[in-house]
Amino acid sequence: GENVEQHPSTLSVQEGDSAVIKCTYSDSASNYFPWYKQELGKRPQLIIDIRSNVGEKKDQRIAVTLNKTAKHFSLHITETQPEDSAVYFCASPEYNNAGNMLTFGGGTRLMVKP
Amino acid sequence: DTEVTQTPKHLVMGMTNKKSLKCEQHMGHRAMYWYKQKAKKPPELMFVYSYEKLSINESVPSRFSPECPNSSLLNLHLHALQPEDSALYLCASSQGRSNYGYTFGSGTRLTVV
Repeated sequence: GENVEQHPSTLSVQEGDSAVIKCTYSDSASNYFPWYKQELGKRPQLIIDIRSNVGEKKDQRIAVTLNKTAKHFSLHITETQPEDSAVYFCASPEYNNAGNMLTFGGGTRLMVKP
Repeated sequence: DTEVTQTPKHLVMGMTNKKSLKCEQHMGHRAMYWYKQKAKKPPELMFVYSYEKLSINESVPSRFSPECPNSSLLNLHLHALQPEDSALYLCASSQGRSNYGYTFGSGTRLTVV
């Protein structure tokens, strides 16, 4: 099955700084890479995703980059704010008769200090 | 409607109880999932239903029994649980195709006493 590794497990930044979280995956057939944000006690929410036909996607302060050759993708948050503090999960799909079955990375706890 | 609704939000049950978790979506999604999430850990897949048929069971103990009455509803029946089963149980749905993500419900916080 798919194996997804995520680093770092915790990340502390000063408000206004940038944060970068990296993930690697094992299945070269994977072509869809979502990122989820989970605030304490809440559901994971999709914040950005990228498909393998592009190398980068931006949405305001958030961007995701993909390197299919190296099988890794990264989340970039610029001008961090305290409300960015949460746990972030990357994911990669495993394909079977069920369609897509997401395998999640271990998570990164991001703390933004005011 | 772009929501996945889960009930109840919180549940405390004894080890001899029988209870059910419910999940509902009206987005026309054809795949529905149950995930278990322990504190400070990623969600772990339990079951996948595709077109109302159970397609994946990730070696989950039989004390967890899923049911998909129709394309909008997903239940998880619980019986004779153990304290280590205490966790956040998340339901999710997706279009079921290979390049679309999930929409998660807000979860049921389960405590087994």
